[in-house]
Amino acid sequence: EAQVTQNPRYLITVTGKKLTVTCSQNMNHEYMSWYRQDPGLGLRQIYYSMNVEVTDKGDVPEGYKVSRKEKRNFPLILESPSPNQTSLYFCASSFTGYNSPLHFGNGTRLTVT
Amino acid sequence: GQQLNQSPQSMFIQEGEDVSMNCTSSSIFNTWLWYKQEPGEGPVLLIALYKAGELTSNGRLTAQFGITRKDSFLNISASIPSDVGIYFCAGQGSGTYKYIFGTGTRLKVLA
Repeated sequence: EAQVTQNPRYLITVTGKKLTVTCSQNMNHEYMSWYRQDPGLGLRQIYYSMNVEVTDKGDVPEGYKVSRKEKRNFPLILESPSPNQTSLYFCASSFTGYNSPLHFGNGTRLTVT
Repeated sequence: GQQLNQSPQSMFIQEGEDVSMNCTSSSIFNTWLWYKQEPGEGPVLLIALYKAGELTSNGRLTAQFGITRKDSFLNISASIPSDVGIYFCAGQGSGTYKYIFGTGTRLKVLA
């Protein structure tokens, strides 16, 4: 089944403890992206990647890192999480990124205390 | 970041009624997408539109790409309880990989 898989679905952590949220897609998509969703603010793009080893900042990149070493994987790294990074995170992918619909994962709900 | 203006914000309707919602933008878009999101889940793609004036259906759902390229519409016919969720649009302009998302329409269907 074609899908975008994120792990974990739920994560509770403490301020400053490094964490990684994984994202994997099995559709051979070139474009991958991370979003955070907050009440009243909608979906905001964190980082995106056009292809392997090509990444760029979205609207809210501060406090996040990404890497794209393989086409299928696009992990989101929080080196030193803070409470304002408590949010619902979504990974998405599309075939080319342009004129190509985004397919979303099921989300990761992160709580930083 | 920028958001698209989506209306209505919420709707409470009776089962069997038709539903209409729309998104408007100050910019011209080349692609419009419509998604449904249920609590605790990721957005699920409903319909993708790529040409001004395009009208596309997916079961009871019909979406249109406005001819001005600054708006899009989603209609749901004969609503059923499982239509409950948040519907939102996304638009992409020329020469950019970035999608702008709508603020969402929360739909509740009363049986």
